[in-house]
Amino acid sequence: DSGVTQTPKHLITATGQRVTLRCSPRSGDLSVYWYQQSLDQGLQFLIQYYNGEERAKGNILERFSAQQFPDLHSELNLSSLELGDSALYFCASSPSPGGAGELFFGEGSRLTVL
Amino acid sequence: KNQVEQSPQSLIILEGKNCTLQCNYTVSPFSNLRWYKQDTGRGPVSLTIMTFSENTKSNGRYTATLDADTKQSSLHITASQLSDSASYICVVSRHSGGGADGLTFGKGTHLIIQP
Repeated sequence: DSGVTQTPKHLITATGQRVTLRCSPRSGDLSVYWYQQSLDQGLQFLIQYYNGEERAKGNILERFSAQQFPDLHSELNLSSLELGDSALYFCASSPSPGGAGELFFGEGSRLTVL
Repeated sequence: KNQVEQSPQSLIILEGKNCTLQCNYTVSPFSNLRWYKQDTGRGPVSLTIMTFSENTKSNGRYTATLDADTKQSSLHITASQLSDSASYICVVSRHSGGGADGLTFGKGTHLIIQP
């Protein structure tokens, strides 16, 4: 158990809809990272927050947005969903703002868009 | 361009045998290299983290090597077990002064252990 909690574990929705994925980092970790993993693809970095502020941005679509709240949990919002958005979405956390430290991953949220 | 290439893409071996997975990178300036194990449908779990000065690091039956001169790393698995069936991901961190955009992920090697 990494200590990172993601909900929901599974989500099935239709094209055009909007969903919210939630992540609670390990106790004491200030950084939260979001990654997307499509079928048989590598992990694609979406966005990172550190202590409530956006720290780094990757290949995140404009239809996607995220935020980190004062209690350090984070939410990833996906809107106007398309079939290609079906993927595993992972959250990771670390104590430091930089990416050099170890990342602890959650178990992921599997999104299926029909 | 910062890249991490892993080989082979997939590998099937018999239980009890050894295997070696490769990772070549072009990430610069180099900070550290990590190997993660990802079971199907689960989150990646860290196996080792190696800095520039470390040549070898072990974690049980897993041994990682790093040659910073040739920018190559390998992960050796000894006496494989069925539970070793997973994807193994190489991740290289560069000194970016920023955050997670300094991490470059390989696509992983999919390892299957057959009884």
